Amino acid sequence: DGGITQSPKYLFRKEGQNVTLSCEQNLNHDAMYWYRQDPGQGLRLIYYSQIVNDFQKGDIAEGYSVSREKKESFPLTVTSAQKNPTAFYLCASSIVASGNEQFFGPGTRLTVL
Amino acid sequence: AQKVTQAQTEISVVEKEDVTLDCVYETRDTTYYLFWYKQPPSGELVFLIRRNSFDEQNEISGRYSWNFQKSTSSFNFTITASQVVDSAVYFCALSESNFGNEKLTFGTGTRLTIIP
Repeated sequence: DGGITQSPKYLFRKEGQNVTLSCEQNLNHDAMYWYRQDPGQGLRLIYYSQIVNDFQKGDIAEGYSVSREKKESFPLTVTSAQKNPTAFYLCASSIVASGNEQFFGPGTRLTVL
Repeated sequence: AQKVTQAQTEISVVEKEDVTLDCVYETRDTTYYLFWYKQPPSGELVFLIRRNSFDEQNEISGRYSWNFQKSTSSFNFTITASQVVDSAVYFCALSESNFGNEKLTFGTGTRLTIIP
């Protein structure tokens, strides 16, 4: 089955710890994205990548880091510098072309204890 | 800067009623794309429709229909004869044409509850 997988579904971390969220796609898409969703705020873009070994900051990149070593994978690290990391994180991918829809994974809910 | 407004935070209707979700957008581009996504309780966003700024034809897909009006910068979504399975959060989104540098701007979503 083609799609996007994110793991884990639920993640708990202690304050001050870094944590990495996984995102893998087998859709052969060049572009991948990370969004954060908070109640009542919709989705906000953290980072995106349109080609391997290249990525750009989105609207709320502070406290996050990413890598894109393989086309299929786009892991997101939530660092201890992120002031309020508790949120729902969604990964997406798309073809690189004007107006193409993004396909989303099932999300990871991160809770900082 | 582009912006999407979904003024309805929550809507509840009784099953089989029709319901319209509003979406108003702002952009300075003449070429842009509008989207609707559905987020069921499982959390994954499901793509429903894409519209480009040059195509103002309304679209119907089963019980779903979309009304795109450039004159009022609106892209409203109507569900006819609603069903309990339609209960979800619905997001409207906007993408400006940037030749490969596409970014989606989302509205804050409308939570739709269909009461059996």
